Amino acid sequence: ILNVEQSPQSLHVQEGDSTNFTCSFPSSNFYALHWYRWETAKSPEALFVMTLNGDEKKKGRISATLNTKEGYSYLYIKGSQPEDSATYLCASPSDTGRRALTFGSGTRLQVQP
Amino acid sequence: DGGITQSPKYLFRKEGQNVTLSCEQNLNHDAMYWYRQDPGQGLRLIYYSQIVNDFQKGDIAEGYSVSREKKESFPLTVTSAQKNPTAFYLCASSIFGQDNQPQHFGDGTRLSIL
Repeated sequence: ILNVEQSPQSLHVQEGDSTNFTCSFPSSNFYALHWYRWETAKSPEALFVMTLNGDEKKKGRISATLNTKEGYSYLYIKGSQPEDSATYLCASPSDTGRRALTFGSGTRLQVQP
Repeated sequence: DGGITQSPKYLFRKEGQNVTLSCEQNLNHDAMYWYRQDPGQGLRLIYYSQIVNDFQKGDIAEGYSVSREKKESFPLTVTSAQKNPTAFYLCASSIFGQDNQPQHFGDGTRLSIL
């Protein structure tokens, strides 16, 4: 089973703070790296899917980078707002090529107004 | 609007009973997946199907069964052999075979033991 790890497990920030968290994954047999946002009482929503080393993607105040050689991805949130409070999941397809995702345990972000 | 519908939202199981969780999608996706979430853990793959009439075990398939008779539907049965079924279950779908495509998720079913 592919090992996908996320840190920190949880994070509390003040409104307006910028923050970032990490996803690490095996660098061999890399296919793609997914980021999802999961708000309470909603379904997980895709933020980014990244496939190339050095990829940088941006969606509003949220951006992500990818380093496939060293096996990590960073998710950044600039100027956090209370509506950013959610669990952020990263995931990668298994190295068996099955394309089903292996998820990290998530980073739970709380933004205090 | 296209999407994934899971039902019921809450389900209770008695000892020795099989229960079935429904998952329907109208996104025309070939691939469908079932995940389980336990407190403090990430989503773990139970079963997945890449095409109609074919499905594969995931990492925690014991005590579960699935069928894929139609492209739109991928029901999950939690059998009495699953000794610890209390969890949150998520169904997802995606375009098969393209690494740059995200998965789309339903709202989930929370299963509890009576």
